[in-house]
Amino acid sequence: RKEVEQDPGPFNVPEGATVAFNCTYSNSASQSFFWYRQDCRKEPKLLMSVYSSGNEDGRFTAQLNRASQYISLLIRDSKLSDSATYLCVGPDDKIIFGKGTRLHILP
Amino acid sequence: NAGVTQTPKFRVLKTGQSMTLLCAQDMNHEYMYWYRQDPGMGLRLIHYSVGEGTTAKGEVPDGYNVSRLKKQNFLLGLESAAPSQTSVYFCASTRTSTLLYEQYFGPGTRLTVT
Repeated sequence: RKEVEQDPGPFNVPEGATVAFNCTYSNSASQSFFWYRQDCRKEPKLLMSVYSSGNEDGRFTAQLNRASQYISLLIRDSKLSDSATYLCVGPDDKIIFGKGTRLHILP
Repeated sequence: NAGVTQTPKFRVLKTGQSMTLLCAQDMNHEYMYWYRQDPGMGLRLIHYSVGEGTTAKGEVPDGYNVSRLKKQNFLLGLESAAPSQTSVYFCASTRTSTLLYEQYFGPGTRLTVT
């Protein structure tokens, strides 16, 4: 099992809907991860950090499920501008990026 | 602040040629990183540096060398370019001594090796 795995998508979601995707990891001791957002042909930018207590920022919620070894990203009331690729990275003692999940918000 | 800058933005090389990619940051960050990103492969760490004068191998270091002579600069060298090194190269930096932390990325260098 690879250290960090993501469903590549694409997820095609109508504007205003709620969408969630996961990132699974293999190191059961991991305690911190990050979600990055990458627009087409641009550099990745940090979206949220994910620790054991989870994190919420406006329409975005990130959680860490240690029992099942995955982190999740939930986007509520999705906007057209949310269309991007979402990368997870962890665990805390390494830098392993997932391959990314592509999200397309449809008008 | 300019943040993280990369030079050049685009480059085409012939097989066997050499080149150096320059990464510069003006945020006084300790850690710097070089990644490559290929379609379907995601970001992969090539080399990184935890401070001036230090470097370490990442996930895919073969065919690359790096140097960190000044804190603000991190150079990535290709001594003999191969078509397999066609990729987008990103540099990044972080401010703390924790390996996994918020990374600030440069805009990338698109390299094609023919």
